[in-house]
Amino acid sequence: EAAVTQSPRSKVAVTGGKVTLSCHQTNNHDYMYWYRQDTGHGLRLIHYSYVADSTEKGDIPDGYKASRPSQENFSLILELASLSQTAVYFCASSDAAFSGNTLYFGEGSRLIVV
Amino acid sequence: TQTVSQSDAHVTVFEGDSVELRCNYSYGGSIYLSWYIQHHGHGLQFLLKYYSGNPVVQGVNGFEAEFSKSDSSFHLRKASVHWSDSAVYFCAVSAGNYAQGLTFGLGTRVSVFP
Repeated sequence: EAAVTQSPRSKVAVTGGKVTLSCHQTNNHDYMYWYRQDTGHGLRLIHYSYVADSTEKGDIPDGYKASRPSQENFSLILELASLSQTAVYFCASSDAAFSGNTLYFGEGSRLIVV
Repeated sequence: TQTVSQSDAHVTVFEGDSVELRCNYSYGGSIYLSWYIQHHGHGLQFLLKYYSGNPVVQGVNGFEAEFSKSDSSFHLRKASVHWSDSAVYFCAVSAGNYAQGLTFGLGTRVSVFP
């Protein structure tokens, strides 16, 4: 049974529209992350959170917001989607120091902005 | 700031061959090093990690990796590959602030032919 689930798995959005990507984990982990994957760039950290109701900026936060309403849920929000945000987005959870920061990933959300 | 480099973008091997995927990192302090595998269309899955102790660590499905402080390397090896090992492999590092997740290399695509 998947411990990190993402929705939607695929989405086509129009430029300037709002997009929300959702992530739910059943690992009971405190840490959650949003990465984007692009060909030639590997995975880059957008936002992360280590406690409910608090989020932190990662390496490429511009154009993205995050929300962590509970330990289990972590959302990524694109208020004004742009063509450059076409990518695959991955959510991950971790219990950080306890596991040497082993990350458990969801299956990804493919976003195409047109 | 830690960085990770994977020198080979694509490796082609035949079933039964051995394979070595190269990973070099730069960071002055204590770090966790890990490898992840990504099959096409799926999220990343943890293979193995190193923090201290025996520099050769064993992972799932016959994978092992060897840490070398002098070479700043953490190369992944498998003695005999199977077609199901076809995937993209990512090397990752985690520095002192575990909350900030992992920094990933660009990945090495492995294609295994029968």
